[in-house]
Amino acid sequence: DAGVTQSPTHLIKTRGQQVTLRCSPKSGHDTVSWYQQALGQGPQFIFQYYEEEERQRGNFPDRFSGHQFPNYSSELNVNALLLGDSALYLCASSKDRDQPQHFGDGTRLSIL
Amino acid sequence: SQQGEEDPQALSIQEGENATMNCSYKTSINNLQWYRQNSGRGLVHLILIRSNEREKHSGRLRVTLDTSKKSSSLLITASRAADTASYFCATHQWNNNDMRFGAGTRLTVKP
Repeated sequence: DAGVTQSPTHLIKTRGQQVTLRCSPKSGHDTVSWYQQALGQGPQFIFQYYEEEERQRGNFPDRFSGHQFPNYSSELNVNALLLGDSALYLCASSKDRDQPQHFGDGTRLSIL
Repeated sequence: SQQGEEDPQALSIQEGENATMNCSYKTSINNLQWYRQNSGRGLVHLILIRSNEREKHSGRLRVTLDTSKKSSSLLITASRAADTASYFCATHQWNNNDMRFGAGTRLTVKP
């Protein structure tokens, strides 16, 4: 049973570019959440998707957007990249919003 | 914004000793969860405790929750070198869909 998979594992971009990160949830999970984790910090909630809709959003600017597909997989898009966007981006899936979350190993995004 | 605050920020112990980490939070919760993260990897769920529960056990893990003090503790007994990792508490509020993580406790278990 495959867990949460994320791609790519590493990515290097320059300021002003755009990036798309991808996530496939654990089998049987329909809820996908995205987190940003800066070095030495805890994960910060970006948004959560359920039934292809953004169900809740954290304190992130509109440059951060997402999508969930009918097969429950999800994308995170970040436009106009800033140096401060350098972080580990984690995807987590669950069966419901207050259930334990299963995390992928993340995408390490570096902005030059 | 972060909800949980872990204490201590870092903890170093010898193999076989017990490790205790604490978490404080600010608002009423539905449940509180503890996760472990090995360096550069994703988080692994350890245990979930609901607001109407006071204590839960899972193997060598013991979690307590005191809603009156808005605090929780994670005890790892008979620690092993493989327990070396960062440990995070995360809270889930009522009528809310996000989970709020603290900054974590970095545990080092020396062989």
